[in-house]
Amino acid sequence: NAGVTQTPKFRVLKTGQSMTLLCAQDMNHEYMYWYRQDPGMGLRLIHYSVGEGTTAKGEVPDGYNVSRLKKQNFLLGLESAAPSQTSVYFCASSYSVFGPAGDGYNEQFFGPGTRLTVL
Amino acid sequence: DAKTTQPNSMESNEEEPVHLPCNHSTISGTDYIHWYRQLPSQGPEYVIHGLTSNVNNRMASLAIAEDRKSSTLILHRATLRDAAVYYCIRFTSGTYKYIFGTGTRLKVLA
Repeated sequence: NAGVTQTPKFRVLKTGQSMTLLCAQDMNHEYMYWYRQDPGMGLRLIHYSVGEGTTAKGEVPDGYNVSRLKKQNFLLGLESAAPSQTSVYFCASSYSVFGPAGDGYNEQFFGPGTRLTVL
Repeated sequence: DAKTTQPNSMESNEEEPVHLPCNHSTISGTDYIHWYRQLPSQGPEYVIHGLTSNVNNRMASLAIAEDRKSSTLILHRATLRDAAVYYCIRFTSGTYKYIFGTGTRLKVLA
């Protein structure tokens, strides 16, 4: 089991360029999430998906788009990168928000992160 | 405000217990308390969670105050590998959201 993988690990963009970050999970999880982490801060939710073909906005969705065409993949797109989007991006997945025992267990499994710099 | 309040940093000696506090004074009755930790250059990893009762697992213990306005993560014997940022998170069962605070950076001294 690879768990959650992210591609690429590092990327440098110029302002205005576009790119797509790929997240893949092999745990058959229904829920997937994209977060960003700025220096000295906790993670903030960008977008999430509760199943194949569905997406929804999180705390900080502006400037990002997502797609979940396959259950195991969750893509994060930047159409026109800005320096304010310089950050470390983490993808995560979870079995469900209820947990198998319905006890509030919602362990999210995180990928290793993508460090993005926008010049 | 759904965020939690934690000290910015704490230090502990190796092999000693560590108590990491968290304040969540506005918690609702359906909110769970989750703890994650983030090792350097890695994504966060789950540590423990609870609702009302104290909880134990192989990694740590979670003590929740009777009024649920605060909780404490207990590492029974800190090791150098426990040096990380520890996040206390309020989680409403049935929702999608983890709202991360700024966390506590734990330094373990050899």
